Order: sequence, then structure tokens, then C-alpha cells
Amino acid sequence: EVQLVESGGGLIQAGGSLRLSCAASGFTVSTNYMSWVRQAPGKGLEWVSVIYSGGSTYYADSVKGRFTISRDISENMVSLQMNNLRAEDTAVYYCAVSDGESLDVWGQGTTVTVSS
Amino acid sequence: QSALTQPPSASGAPGQRVTIPCSGSSSNIGSNFVFWYQQLPGTAPKLLIYRHSQRPSGVPDRFSASKSDTSASLVISGLRSEDEADYYCAAWDDSLSGRVFGGGTKVTVL
Repeated sequence: EVQLVESGGGLIQAGGSLRLSCAASGFTVSTNYMSWVRQAPGKGLEWVSVIYSGGSTYYADSVKGRFTISRDISENMVSLQMNNLRAEDTAVYYCAVSDGESLDVWGQGTTVTVSS
Repeated sequence: QSALTQPPSASGAPGQRVTIPCSGSSSNIGSNFVFWYQQLPGTAPKLLIYRHSQRPSGVPDRFSASKSDTSASLVISGLRSEDEADYYCAAWDDSLSGRVFGGGTKVTVL
């Protein structure tokens, strides 16, 4: 069974850093594309970043230069390093795997709260 | 403001049909696959539709979708109480080099 478990969220002051992790099971992170999507309280979904099977990465303009997505194939895990956090980064962060078709599974999310 | 535009709400009585439109542009819906997600309260989003109109296994055939030019739509037929949720359209955007989501439509079963 494909499963994703996020961790690393918490309360952090503006300007601080956090590293989110996403542990994968039931598939290999290097053979699909892995994304981070966030949802601010009471708001809609906002795509944050993606890492493709070939290693290419893309970021939303709102996080470019501050967030870095990476993967550890040996640990079968994807991470999101978040630096210079702002109040507007407060959200539930979801990790998701997709093959661009019917494989599309999301984790339960981890909450990041940035206090100003 | 989302790159994909959806109405904030839609509603219908049990058994009725509800249509959720999603408007985009040539750089997203016009040139890439559209996906639809259902988010039940307090849970993570779940894939409902991929490749414009394909349903993953396990998704009831009450859910259908289509795409035309730079717009897409999700149809829920035979509305049931368990369909009360937020629905999001999504597509890759070539201009932004990123994925874009609609603002979400909250479906209420009257």
C-alpha cells in the first residue's frame, strides 16, 4: 500500500527555519514525482514544490529562494527545507506522490505555524 | 487570486446533479491535463479525476468530468450527503513552471 507520513511541523518565529520530512512506503520516491502542497487555515490548496524522478525541481514564486526540496533515496524520503519563514507560510503542509495519472496519494499533513 | 477560477460554492438536493466549472488559460488547462480533487472536512485531498476525465479505481461513476479549450468541469450526478466536501481543479502551468489549483468549490447537499 502506498503511504506517506509527514513530520517536522511546529511553531516557529518569523525568520526561522524548519525542515519537513515525508517518509514513503509502498513505492520508491525516485521513480515518481513528489510534491509539497500547503493549505493555510480556512483557505484553498497552494502548490509549493515538486521534484521529478530525474531530479528536476520547481518552486512556487512565493517560496522560491527560501524553500528547498530534496530526496534521500536510501531512506525513501523527501524533505522540504524552509528558511526565512514568514507569517504567510503558516499552513498544513501535505506531501504527495504522483505518476501524472491515477497514482496520486497524499499524506495526512503536518502543521507549520509561524509567529510574527 | 488563483490561476484557475472556480465558484466558491455549489449546492443541490439529494439525487440532483451539480456542475462545478473551472476556468483557466492556454498555459494551463489549454495545454495540460486537468485533475480534480475532493477534500472532505479535516482530511487530505483525494484524487477524483485525472487526465481531464479519467476516474481512478474506486471512484464512483457518479463523478464525471470534461475539458474544452481552456475550461473544465466536474459533474456530480445523483448527489449524496457524503459528497459534501470541497472540490479543487488543478493543472500544470507552463508559464509559471508550477502546478496551479482552483480556489475550491464547497458543495452543500441541501
